[in-house]
Amino acid sequence: GESVGLHLPTLSVQEGDNSIINCAYSNSASDYFIWYKQESGKGPQFIIDIRSNMDKRQGQRVTVLLNKTVKHLSLQIAATQPGDSAVYFCADPLNAGGTSYGKLTFGQGTILTVHP
Amino acid sequence: NAGVMQNPRHLVRRRGQEARLRCSPMKGHSHVYWYRQLPEEGLKFMVYLQKENIIDESGMPKERFSAEFPKEGPSILRIQQVVRGDSAAYFCASSWDRKTSGNTIYFGEGSWLTVV
Repeated sequence: GESVGLHLPTLSVQEGDNSIINCAYSNSASDYFIWYKQESGKGPQFIIDIRSNMDKRQGQRVTVLLNKTVKHLSLQIAATQPGDSAVYFCADPLNAGGTSYGKLTFGQGTILTVHP
Repeated sequence: NAGVMQNPRHLVRRRGQEARLRCSPMKGHSHVYWYRQLPEEGLKFMVYLQKENIIDESGMPKERFSAEFPKEGPSILRIQQVVRGDSAAYFCASSWDRKTSGNTIYFGEGSWLTVV
């Protein structure tokens, strides 16, 4: 039968606060993860990625943490701004012999709303 | 350098009609991926194509859906005899190489199909 849409988790923060968005994965063989931001009516936009030989990676205002033991990722956004309001997805490319391919498995997504 | 171009951005079809969605990858990219996003869900992989070849169609419904990426021209995702459950956003992504990292996969802005 048809799949039923799920209500996405939501996170509501004040401008200037830090935001933490979580993602769980199930495939122990996954060795590379990507975070995407999707604004309303637009396509996914790359934010940051991390390989499994790292447990932390920092970008501009964003940090991704990887806990392989519990198969968990988090995206931290510092000093959240109204322009950060969007849906955030983690994604896992197909892994074939240690090489990542463009076939992505997306997580459920989290709706981030930033209030001025 | 134009990004991934999708058209139409919005398409309304009556049940039983055909929908054709087009995707022009970024210049120099020969790998194209189609994803479908149902409301309140993440993107789901449908098909991976290279020029004149379907490489992986494991996410394509068995009936009514087809995709092509001819030697010349855009990639086409074709949905025959559309039903209400086909209403979704369809995203195209492209990459230069099959091996990729997150910041080398580029998404288009999507085509929103509404079946009435």
